Amino acid sequence: KAGVTQTPRYLIKTRGQQVTLSCSPISGHRSVSWYQQTPGQGLQFLFEYFSETQRNKGNFPGRFSGRQFSNSRSEMNVSTLELGDSALYLCASSFPQQGSNTGELFFGEGSRLTVL
Amino acid sequence: GENVEQHPSTLSVQEGDSAVIKCTYSDSASNYFPWYKQELGKGPQLIIDIRSNVGEKKDQRIAVTLNKTAKHFSLHITETQPEDSAVYFCAAGRRALTFGSGTRLQVQP
Repeated sequence: KAGVTQTPRYLIKTRGQQVTLSCSPISGHRSVSWYQQTPGQGLQFLFEYFSETQRNKGNFPGRFSGRQFSNSRSEMNVSTLELGDSALYLCASSFPQQGSNTGELFFGEGSRLTVL
Repeated sequence: GENVEQHPSTLSVQEGDSAVIKCTYSDSASNYFPWYKQELGKGPQLIIDIRSNVGEKKDQRIAVTLNKTAKHFSLHITETQPEDSAVYFCAAGRRALTFGSGTRLQVQP
């Protein structure tokens, strides 16, 4: 069974540009979450999508946005990049538990973004 | 929102010794407490989890304990091996997970 696939794995952008990251979840998983990982802040929750709807949102500015398609694939976008956006962006998929409770997250290997 | 604190930030043990990592959480509504292991260049991988209706869970050399009253939970690794060396994260939540800051475990051969 294929795991979570994230593209691109590495990218370099300059301040002010925008970036789009892609995530393909495990087949059958309908929930996709995004996390930002930095040495100083650890793993921080960005947002979660389920059935094309944003179900939960972390405490990030509106420059960070996402969407989910009908095949459960997800993209996240960061506009007007800042130096502090340099991080590893991790996508995780899951098969939701009863109700909207969270369950095991299966992480991809991440997209490493460097902003110059 | 939820706040998760994790200690220690680094832990060095001799092969064969035990390792214990502790976390506290703030939101009494949290009902799911997983532990993830992250190796260099890879995404975190679940190693064990526990729900709030259970006090302890064990899987071979790994065990997790949960004290809901005190709002803390711990990871115990026995008979550590060099391949246990990695960064370990605790997390807590109900609808979304909040992660601890991570513990870098080094197992010396």
